[in-house]
Amino acid sequence: GNSVTQMEGPVTLSEEAFLTINCTYTATGYPSLFWYVQYPGEGLQLLLKATKADDKGSNKGFEATYRKETTSFHLEKGSVQVSDSAVYFCALIHNQGGKLIFGQGTELSVKP
Amino acid sequence: DTAVSQTPKYLVTQMGNDKSIKCEQNLGHDTMYWYKQDSKKFLKIMFSYNNKELIINETVPNRFSPKSPDKAHLNLHINSLELGDSAVYFCASSQDDRGAQYFGPGTRLLVL
Repeated sequence: GNSVTQMEGPVTLSEEAFLTINCTYTATGYPSLFWYVQYPGEGLQLLLKATKADDKGSNKGFEATYRKETTSFHLEKGSVQVSDSAVYFCALIHNQGGKLIFGQGTELSVKP
Repeated sequence: DTAVSQTPKYLVTQMGNDKSIKCEQNLGHDTMYWYKQDSKKFLKIMFSYNNKELIINETVPNRFSPKSPDKAHLNLHINSLELGDSAVYFCASSQDDRGAQYFGPGTRLLVL
């Protein structure tokens, strides 16, 4: 079946460090891929998306490229801020009536 | 204006009670969803509706009954609440079943 695997957290970084959160997926065909962010006590916010191979999604300094050959959609940011501290979820949708399948989430903590 | 809203934000109740959570979206989307987030922050779809019609029912106990009076509203009624129902419930909406989903702020349900 379809699934998403993210790197284990928590990830702790210093401000201005480079961030990578790994995400790989299992699905037949071409799913749409998403990153969502959940700040403490809040709902999920769409961070970025990509709908076909080699698409790059970007928003607020975050980027992720849809890599079909490695079935990956890793999230990157060049310089993190304390305000980026949150839980990040990788997810896919694939021909199942809108069923978003989430990874387990990766908690990011950025220290000043 | 809030795009996807849910009420109540917090719900504390006793085992065996019946409760409802309401969701409204003002995005003009055709599809709405309910997700459950457990204590480990794992997210799983429960239901989806497209234009008031049930599309996904993800093996949820029949104590949970969604109702969509119109395409802007999707309510969740839970009968005979159990301890294991304690979780955060998120409503979401999207334009179609492949598009990005936009989430409400969540309802934190605690069953005592």
